Amino acid sequence: AQKITQTQPGMFVQEKEAVTLDCTYDTSDPSYGLFWYKQPSSGEMIFLIYQGSYDQQNATEGRYSLNFQKARKSANLVISASQLGDSAMYFCAMRGQNTGNQFYFGTGTSLTVIP
Amino acid sequence: DTGVSQNPRHKITKRGQNVTFRCDPISEHNRLYWYRQTLGQGPEFLTYFQNEAQLEKSRLLSDRFSAERPKGSFSTLEIQRTEQGDSAMYLCASSLGTGGVNTEAFFGQGTRLTVV
Repeated sequence: AQKITQTQPGMFVQEKEAVTLDCTYDTSDPSYGLFWYKQPSSGEMIFLIYQGSYDQQNATEGRYSLNFQKARKSANLVISASQLGDSAMYFCAMRGQNTGNQFYFGTGTSLTVIP
Repeated sequence: DTGVSQNPRHKITKRGQNVTFRCDPISEHNRLYWYRQTLGQGPEFLTYFQNEAQLEKSRLLSDRFSAERPKGSFSTLEIQRTEQGDSAMYLCASSLGTGGVNTEAFFGQGTRLTVV
């Protein structure tokens, strides 16, 4: 079975500072993908970044980077130079090769950027 | 195409009534998902279509829930005899792919259902 754990219900960060949102996962699939989504108060889930289990390098997308530590089964999201618009819920998700096509989500982390 | 579209955005219904939600995916996407999200939780998988075929259904999808995707385009999710526990955000997502794990899903803004 797949499981995603996000242990930080809420996080605060000062504007322009960097913040790390934690995500650990559990899977028996040899091949899997890890995703981060942002959910503002409007409700839409916005895709941020993807990391494949066989990728040698950590993924980066603009101000977002993923600190992937396969042996520790962690895929932390790093947001650099935080902006007020980054305030939202952030969800870590996983999709496995042998467990169908569904995405498994964690419980999310609420990020608040303080001016 | 501006993304995944869901209608209605909000629905208030009385317990026992039937409701139907619609999802229009990104036009070239062959995969379509329905998720349910309750307050303080992440989205939970309900069902998945590849083109018009419903390939997976969660145990969360009781007999009162039915989903269709005629002709592999838009999809509808119907809940019969609604219960207060059905109150949640219902999210639709679509993606393009043939089996790999590396394809992200694009989500709509959801339909918030309140059963009173």
